[in-house]
Amino acid sequence: QSALTQPASVSGSPGQSITISCTGTSSDVGGYNYVSWYQQHPGKAPKLMIYDVSNRPSGVSNRFSGSKSGNTASLTISGLQAEDEADYYCSSYTSSSTLEEVFGGGTKLTVL
Amino acid sequence: EVQLVESGGGLVQPGRSLRLSCAASGFTFDDYAMHWVRQAPGKGLEWVSGISWNSGSIGYADSVKGRFTISRDNAKNSLYLQMNSLRAEDTALYYCAKAFDIWGQGTMVTVSS
Repeated sequence: QSALTQPASVSGSPGQSITISCTGTSSDVGGYNYVSWYQQHPGKAPKLMIYDVSNRPSGVSNRFSGSKSGNTASLTISGLQAEDEADYYCSSYTSSSTLEEVFGGGTKLTVL
Repeated sequence: EVQLVESGGGLVQPGRSLRLSCAASGFTFDDYAMHWVRQAPGKGLEWVSGISWNSGSIGYADSVKGRFTISRDNAKNSLYLQMNSLRAEDTALYYCAKAFDIWGQGTMVTVSS
């Protein structure tokens, strides 16, 4: 149950695009199309932004997009806005029989 | 409105027990798997345990296996986490989550003497 690997921090200026990576193994990210991304503002609960690699829940801006290649998933935020500044976490399904999920260590996004 | 409300957290001594509850509303509770996820102060998210809609499948993180027990009562739209033999490293904000798409606001558990 090793955590997925994310960069500790990323930054970008308003209007720019940034990408956050999430690296796992063939037992999690690479083995299932069940990667999710969450946004967490300080003192708030996580909010689902992307599920099943690239799907957006209703109400989430289309500036947020997800993709996956092999054992690495990515979250791209385009047209950065000040309110995007937050912590972002990825997660992946790891076992269909025990509902096990593994999270990444989190990435702090700073909007310059 | 879909809502999850956790309760039962508090300050507890090492080795003691605590039972968390999560009250669900606004959706058909027994249609969904439910999970507990925790976040230690200043740290990232850690999956703790999950349970399928009918309690037929249950999973635990290695860090809590043998000490924590997840359960649900579909008639009461409620999710539970029985935490035994608590350790200082169990100190965290505990969230319940509906299939990870809806999260509660969390209940804080502090394990300290």
